Amino acid sequence: DTAVSQTPKYLVTQMGNDKSIKCEQNLGHDTMYWYKQDSKKFLKIMFSYNNKELIINETVPNRFSPKSPDKAHLNLHINSLELGDSAVYFCASTGDGHSPLHFGNGTRLTVT
Amino acid sequence: AQSVTQLDSHVSVSEGTPVLLRCNYSSSYSPSLFWYVQHPNKGLQLLLKYTSAATLVKGINGFEAEFKKSETSFHLTKPSAHMSDAAEYFCVVSDWGSARQLTFGSGTQLTVLP
Repeated sequence: DTAVSQTPKYLVTQMGNDKSIKCEQNLGHDTMYWYKQDSKKFLKIMFSYNNKELIINETVPNRFSPKSPDKAHLNLHINSLELGDSAVYFCASTGDGHSPLHFGNGTRLTVT
Repeated sequence: AQSVTQLDSHVSVSEGTPVLLRCNYSSSYSPSLFWYVQHPNKGLQLLLKYTSAATLVKGINGFEAEFKKSETSFHLTKPSAHMSDAAEYFCVVSDWGSARQLTFGSGTQLTVLP
């Protein structure tokens, strides 16, 4: 009964391609996030949606476009993939108040 | 503005000895603080959280952390390390400003020696 699930787990693709990563949470949370973890394990927030509305949009190339069809889903589409996009991408969600983040297991993206 | 500093990028302990992972934070508001653990090729799992209740917080797997406002610290401890504790640990501060945003520390890699 996975709380935050993201697919695929691994994604290997060539430069210039377009790819999507999907995320779904069944926790009833209002807020969802995308984080990027680089090779040094540093976690950087990319986007945050609250109830389908974009509330955080960090300095991310506009090749990255999040889409939230409903508050339980937050997908990430990446156009024209570059070598530097190789990383692990984590989806997360949280509820109201001082509740912690619940993370998915990550998608390891490798661009060749 | 908020920030979090994990003072050690790597910590190595022997099995059965105490663990101390250090975290200092800065925050404009009353922060919430969390520790997460990431095992190799896994997602992040919540260890424990502080949200303005008791300053000594107990988490899973025998870990605990103490919130010290005067020192702006939230160090993670465990009395006796186990081999399965080897992982990356992240300290996280959550500020309640205009937008709900969490800031991650740079992580501490814990190695447990037999």
